[in-house]
Amino acid sequence: DTGVSQNPRHKITKRGQNVTFRCDPISEHNRLYWYRQTLGQGPEFLTYFQNEAQLEKSRLLSDRFSAERPKGSFSTLEIQRTEQGDSAMYLCASSLHPDSPLHFGNGTRLTVT
Amino acid sequence: QQQVKQSPQSLIVQKGGISIINCAYENTAFDYFPWYQQFPGKGPALLIAIRPDVSEKKEGRFTISFNKSAKQFSLHIMDSQPGDSATYFCAASINEKLVFGKGTKLTVNP
Repeated sequence: DTGVSQNPRHKITKRGQNVTFRCDPISEHNRLYWYRQTLGQGPEFLTYFQNEAQLEKSRLLSDRFSAERPKGSFSTLEIQRTEQGDSAMYLCASSLHPDSPLHFGNGTRLTVT
Repeated sequence: QQQVKQSPQSLIVQKGGISIINCAYENTAFDYFPWYQQFPGKGPALLIAIRPDVSEKKEGRFTISFNKSAKQFSLHIMDSQPGDSATYFCAASINEKLVFGKGTKLTVNP
């Protein structure tokens, strides 16, 4: 069990640029979740997958955000035309089934200048 | 109604003391209540969790007390240690989505 892996750990980008983050869940975990955490706040739900199917998206996930999980393994989160308000820690989590605990990765910290 | 309110925002205790963090919720559809511990630069790590049909759960030095009628739950850390210094988040789950409190920064002085 190597845990949930997220890359990159840090990303600095200029406003208007596109960025993509990757998450590798714990193997055999069919549930994968994306959360966003801003400074001094708790994580907020963005979206989640069961295998390759995206089951729900939060209102926080504007049209500039897109997430995929091809083949039900790793997932990517892309932000197009980044804005300064997108600066946050993007956390990925996975779980084996709906009733099992979420295991979080160490996140990707995005800074938009 | 989807909020989880957590207090205090920060807490300082002496080594060996008891740390108590409280949370309250409104939505009775929440069906799972975990506590997470987060160190700087790391993701949240599950500490202990409880379901609403149980009033108390203890794991080592960590205890969750759950009051369904009051819609409140709390984390007690017994014999607090400097290594417990971290930010603690309560959360509540509905339809597989976690709603987190704003966190409590715990500092345990040696």
